[in-house]
Amino acid sequence: EIVLTQSPGTLSLSPGERATLFCRASQTVSTSYLAWYQQKPGQAPRLLIYAASSRATGIPDRFSGSGSGTDFTLTISRLEPEDFAVYYCQQYGRSLWTFGQGTKVEIK
Amino acid sequence: EVQLLESGGGLVQPGGSLRLSCAASGFTFSSYDMNWVRQAPGKGLEWVSTFSRSDSSTYYSDSVQGRFTISRDKSKNMLYLQMNNLRVEDTAKYYCAKGGSVWYYFDQWGQGTLVTVSS
Repeated sequence: EIVLTQSPGTLSLSPGERATLFCRASQTVSTSYLAWYQQKPGQAPRLLIYAASSRATGIPDRFSGSGSGTDFTLTISRLEPEDFAVYYCQQYGRSLWTFGQGTKVEIK
Repeated sequence: EVQLLESGGGLVQPGGSLRLSCAASGFTFSSYDMNWVRQAPGKGLEWVSTFSRSDSSTYYSDSVQGRFTISRDKSKNMLYLQMNNLRVEDTAKYYCAKGGSVWYYFDQWGQGTLVTVSS
């Protein structure tokens, strides 16, 4: 089973700042199979990025994904008030899906 | 508009059973993988099970293998999760999630149904 480790656990930033979130896999992950989600309190998760760098429908272009192999990054170029939330990476491999433990982006 | 509506959650004793349902609408149900993902209170997301669109294969996480069964009724656009021999650690909100059109991600989610396993 591929384990995803996200860092940092919590990111304290101000609106307008840039956020960089990391996801490291215990084994190589196909870029086609790496996704990112946003979850706000009391809400279901929302798909942001799939195939490592493709934005899902309706996702603003301030969200971008990159990476390959075992290291992936989600970048929010300029934080808006609605971006403060928990973010999860997710991968698929060998008929198993796994999530990272999440990174909380909080208002500083 | 895609809609996924879960139901069937509730309080059950350890060792008991529950069946969750997910009513899907707004897309061609049989053309997509369908999934269950859960989230224990205050914790992260955990994939539970997938029903494959291609060959109706089913997949399970190690934590539920042998206890949970995923199934689909194409005629009713319904996804199910039969949960047997429930444990305290199965307590979570269970989300129904639609698979993506090409790759293995979850592009639409329901609001979830809460399962509490407690004596």
